[in-house]
Amino acid sequence: DAGVTQSPTHLIKTRGQHVTLRCSPISGHKSVSWYQQVLGQGPQFIFQYYEKEERGRGNFPDRFSARQFPNYSSELNVNALLLGDSALYLCASSYLYGGRRDGYTFGSGTRLTVV
Amino acid sequence: ILNVEQSPQSLHVQEGDSTNFTCSFPSSNFYALHWYRWETAKSPEALFVMTLNGDEKKKGRISATLNTKEGYSYLYIKGSQPEDSATYLCAPNTNAGKSTFGDGTTLTVKP
Repeated sequence: DAGVTQSPTHLIKTRGQHVTLRCSPISGHKSVSWYQQVLGQGPQFIFQYYEKEERGRGNFPDRFSARQFPNYSSELNVNALLLGDSALYLCASSYLYGGRRDGYTFGSGTRLTVV
Repeated sequence: ILNVEQSPQSLHVQEGDSTNFTCSFPSSNFYALHWYRWETAKSPEALFVMTLNGDEKKKGRISATLNTKEGYSYLYIKGSQPEDSATYLCAPNTNAGKSTFGDGTTLTVKP
């Protein structure tokens, strides 16, 4: 079985640009959550989607948006990139929202560097 | 936003030592607590899901306990091995449904 797949794995963007990160959850999982991780800190919650509806949003500016598609894959979009957006972006797949029953299965992440 | 604290921030032990770390979290609206292991260059991997006060889970040399009334969980590693070197994350989950991660404890086991 394929695990959680994220693309791209690495990305370099210039300040002010826009970026789209993609995630395909494990087959049968209906929830996708997005986390941002910077060095030395734990993953910070950005968004949670369950059954294509937004179920939670973290303390991130409106430049961050996301959506979940009918096949449960998800996109995270970030507009007007800032240097501080440089981070590892993790996608977490779960059967129930928030990984409540079995926890999350994580993808390998997208390493975004903003220059 | 939950305030989740993990201690210590980092830990260096010799192979064969036993060690433990702490995760503290607000006890209100508690639903479950997850422990993850995050090895360098890999994805975080779920270790345990704990829900009941007094829960104790074990996987090989690693075990965890949960106290929901006082809001803490301990993770124990018996006889640490170099392959146990990783960052251990805890993530309490509330009734609202999202998991909030602590900053982790980074364990380095020296051969």
